[in-house]
Amino acid sequence: EAQVTQNPRYLITVTGKKLTVTCSQNMNHEYMSWYRQDPGLGLRQIYYSMNVEVTDKGDVPEGYKVSRKEKRNFPLILESPSPNQTSLYFCASSRGPWGMNTEAFFGQGTRLTVV
Amino acid sequence: GQQLNQSPQSMFIQEGEDVSMNCTSSSIFNTWLWYKQDPGEGPVLLIALYKAGELTSNGRLTAQFGITRKDSFLNISASIPSDVGIYFCAGRTITGNQFYFGTGTSLTVIP
Repeated sequence: EAQVTQNPRYLITVTGKKLTVTCSQNMNHEYMSWYRQDPGLGLRQIYYSMNVEVTDKGDVPEGYKVSRKEKRNFPLILESPSPNQTSLYFCASSRGPWGMNTEAFFGQGTRLTVV
Repeated sequence: GQQLNQSPQSMFIQEGEDVSMNCTSSSIFNTWLWYKQDPGEGPVLLIALYKAGELTSNGRLTAQFGITRKDSFLNISASIPSDVGIYFCAGRTITGNQFYFGTGTSLTVIP
């Protein structure tokens, strides 16, 4: 079954404690991205990756890091989480950003609370 | 970043009524997508549009890619309780590598 898997689904952490949210896709997609969803703001892109070792900033990259060492995995790293990073995070993958049939498939989300 | 204005923000309708929502952008888009998000889940693609003027249906859902390439709308006919959720538009500009999302329309269907 084609899917995007995020872990964990829920996480409560304290300010400053480094954390990683994992994302894995089994569709051999080249393009992967991370979004955060906040009430009234919709989905905002944090980082995206066009392929292995190719990453770029989205609209709200501050406070986040990513890496793309393998095609299937795209972890999101918060080196020093702060309360304003409390949000619902989604990982997405697609064949690419170009042309037809490049719509994104989303994971189930990670609800992060930073206290 | 790119701003997508989606309206209305929320809708409360009776079961059986038709629903219409739209999305506008300040830039020209070459792809419009419509997603639905159920509580506790990630967005799921409903309809994808790739050409200006394109009108596409998926069951009771119909979406159109505006002629100006700066807007799109989604219609749901004869709504049912399982249509409840948040609907998002998303689009990609001609030159960009990113998809931008609207702020969502929350739909409540009253049986």
